[in-house]
Formats: sequence, C-alpha cells, structure tokens
Amino acid sequence: DAGVIQSPRHEVTEMGQEVTLRCKPISGHNSLFWYRQTMMRGLELLIYFNNNVPIDDSGMPEDRFSAKMPNASFSTLKIQPSEPRDSAVYFCASTIGQGRSPLHFGNGTRLTVT
Amino acid sequence: QQQVKQSPQSLIVQKGGISIINCAYENTAFDYFPWYQQFPGKGPALLIAIRPDVSEKKEGRFTISFNKSAKQFSLHIMDSQPGDSATYFCAASRGSNYQLIWGAGTKLIIKP
Repeated sequence: DAGVIQSPRHEVTEMGQEVTLRCKPISGHNSLFWYRQTMMRGLELLIYFNNNVPIDDSGMPEDRFSAKMPNASFSTLKIQPSEPRDSAVYFCASTIGQGRSPLHFGNGTRLTVT
Repeated sequence: QQQVKQSPQSLIVQKGGISIINCAYENTAFDYFPWYQQFPGKGPALLIAIRPDVSEKKEGRFTISFNKSAKQFSLHIMDSQPGDSATYFCAASRGSNYQLIWGAGTKLIIKP
C-alpha cells in the first residue's frame, strides 16, 4: 500500500502565479478530502469529494481556489492567482465511505507564495 | 457550539512519565471522537478513537477517557517515550468523516 501520494512536496511561487497541487488517493478509497494547515488556523477542510463528486466545498476560501477529481485515482487543487496568505501546508486525505473510517493523509505540499 | 477546545497547546514530559491532553466540546450530537498523531513533515494519522457509549478505550500505552456528562475527553500516554514526540489532534464528528471538527493541536515533547 503506497498510501496517499501528493506532489509536489514543496512549491515556492510568486504572488499572482497559478499553483496546482496533485493527489493520488489510496486505491479503492471513494472519499477524498483537501485540507489546509497553518499555525494560526490549524487544520481546515477545504473540499470533500465522494465518488469523484464534490459534496461540500464550503471551506474553499474564495474563487481563486478550485478543485477537481476527474477520476477515482487523481485530484487537483488549483490556486489562481496565488497570494502570500495562501502559504500553508496542503494535505490530501482519502478513506472508504462517508462514515467513520480512518482518514489516510498524504505527506502534504508545503506552499510558499512570495 | 461546533468548536472542540484542546489543551494544552504544548506539553513537555519526561521519558517514562504520563502525558495527558484534554479536549472539550459543546455539541451533544457528536458521536465519534478520534485522536490523530502527526510527526513533522507527515500528515496526521489516526491513533485511537472512541464513541460516547464507552467511558474508556485502551490501545497499548494510549488510552482515551470519555466523560459524557462533562463533555470532555482526554488522551493519556503511559510510559511516554521520545518516539511519542509529535503533535496530537483531537476531533469530533456526528455521523461522517467530512464533518470532523478538529482541535487546535498539542505539541508533545518527551525529554529523554
């Protein structure tokens, strides 16, 4: 089991640039989550997919953020244009079902926007 | 009412001691209380979880104590080891994972 795979591990970009974060969930998992982690705000759920369909995107901070899940094995989180306040660690997590199965997190993408 | 309040923010414990992290909640509809452990550079990983129909759950050196009337739950780490040094998050939800409400986290350092 390779676990949840995220890329890149680190991303440094300039304000105004487009950033795309990628996630490969664990095979067989049908629920996928994007989280953002900062010292100030802790862990924040950005968006939740079930069976590739976005169920709850109320945590997406603004229209600059968008997420897609074109198939069961791939998801992207895009920020366009990026701003310094977007600097954070972004995590993808997957699990089976919508109940209380453990969330399996990737190792995250550390984004720095200068 | 949706918050989960976690304390302390940071904790230093001597090797072999007991580490205790506390969480409190307001929403009595919560019915699932997991604890996640996060090492530097890694994502959180489920450590142990409890439901409100039991008052205690133990897995090895890790124990969750649950006090339904006080709306509090805590994580106890017995015989704490340097390898337990990590950030610990409590969480609570009603029904499904995507509704998890996370605590702010506790950075635990175990001194050798």
